Parts: sequence; structure tokens; C-alpha cells
Amino acid sequence: EVQLLESGGGLVQPEGSLRLSCAASGFTFNTYAMSWVRQAPGKGLEWVSCISHSGDITYYADSVKGRFTISRDNSNNTLYLQMNSLRAEDTAVYHCAKGPYGGWFDPWGQGTLVTVSS
Amino acid sequence: QSVLTQPPSVSAAPGQKVTISCSGSSSKIGNNYVSWYQQLPGTAPKLLIYDNNKRPSGIPDRFSGSKSGTSATLGITGLQTGDEADYYCGTWDSSLSAGVFGGGTKLTVL
Repeated sequence: EVQLLESGGGLVQPEGSLRLSCAASGFTFNTYAMSWVRQAPGKGLEWVSCISHSGDITYYADSVKGRFTISRDNSNNTLYLQMNSLRAEDTAVYHCAKGPYGGWFDPWGQGTLVTVSS
Repeated sequence: QSVLTQPPSVSAAPGQKVTISCSGSSSKIGNNYVSWYQQLPGTAPKLLIYDNNKRPSGIPDRFSGSKSGTSATLGITGLQTGDEADYYCGTWDSSLSAGVFGGGTKLTVL
């Protein structure tokens, strides 16, 4: 069974930093692109970033470009999201997801909540 | 404001059929495959439809997808109270190398 388990969320002050992790199991991690998708409280889904299977290609949403860095450790089946210069509008549940694979994301982790507030 | 446009809400009675639309530009939906996700309250999104009209293993055939031009549609037949959820369309914009989602549609089964 494919499982994605996020961790690392919490309360952080504006301009602070946080590193999210996503532990993957149940599939050959190093053969799939991986993504982060966030959902602000009561709002819809927003794609944040993705990384190629080997980690050499990354893409970011304009809203986080220059502040967030996606990376992966294929030896430990773990995906990361380093978030710097956090803003109130970054407050959201952050889901990791397998993909995009042909354009879709499947499955998704339950997410970890990031709250940016003073 | 989401890149893909969905109605905020739809409703129908149990046993009936409902459709949810998703519209976008030619660079978004027109030239890319569309996927659909179901998010039950308090849970992670779940893939319902991929490549416009394909269902992953385990998704009942009550759920269907279609695409025409710059619009896509999710259809749900034989509505059940357990189908009450938020539904999102999504695509990978290959021209921008970015994922995009609709704003979501809340389905109420009356």
C-alpha cells in the first residue's frame, strides 16, 4: 500500500523558516516525481512545487518562488520542503503527493498544518 | 482566483445525477489532460478521474469524466449521501511547468 506521511508543520512567526518532510513507502520512490500541494483553511487546493524523480529538475508556483526549496533523499524515500521568509498567506495544510504522473497526483498524504502568525 | 473555473456548489437528491464543470484556457485544459479529485470532509484529496475520462482502480463507474475544448466535466450518477464532498479539477500546464487546480465545488446530496 502506498503511504505518504508528512511531518514538520507547526506555528512559526512571519519571516521565519520551517522544513517539512514526507516519508514515502509502498512504491519505488526514486522512479516518481513528487509534489507539494497546499490548502489554506477553508480554501481550495494550490500547487506549490514539484521535483523530478532524480531531483535534478524542480518547479515552483510564483507565490513561493525564491522562498521555498523542494528536495528529496531517494536513499531514505523522503521528500522535503524548506520554507523561508514565511508569510501569513502561507498558512495552510501542506500535502505531499506522488506525481505529477501524466498530469495527475495520486495518492496524497493527510497533510501537515503550517500556521504563520505572530 | 483559481486558474480553472468551477461552480462553487451543486446539489441534487439521492439517486439523481449531477455534473460539475471546469473551464479554462486553451493553454490549460485545451492542451493538457484533466484530472478530478474528491475531498471528503477532514480527509486528503483522492484521485477520481485522470486523463480526462479514466478511472483509477477502485473508483466506481458512477463517476465519469469528459473534456471538450477548454472545458471538462465530472459526472456522478446514482448520488449517495456519502458523495457529499468537495470536488476539484486539476491539470499540469506543460507550457508553464506548473500544476493548476479549480477552486473546488461543494456537492450537497439533499
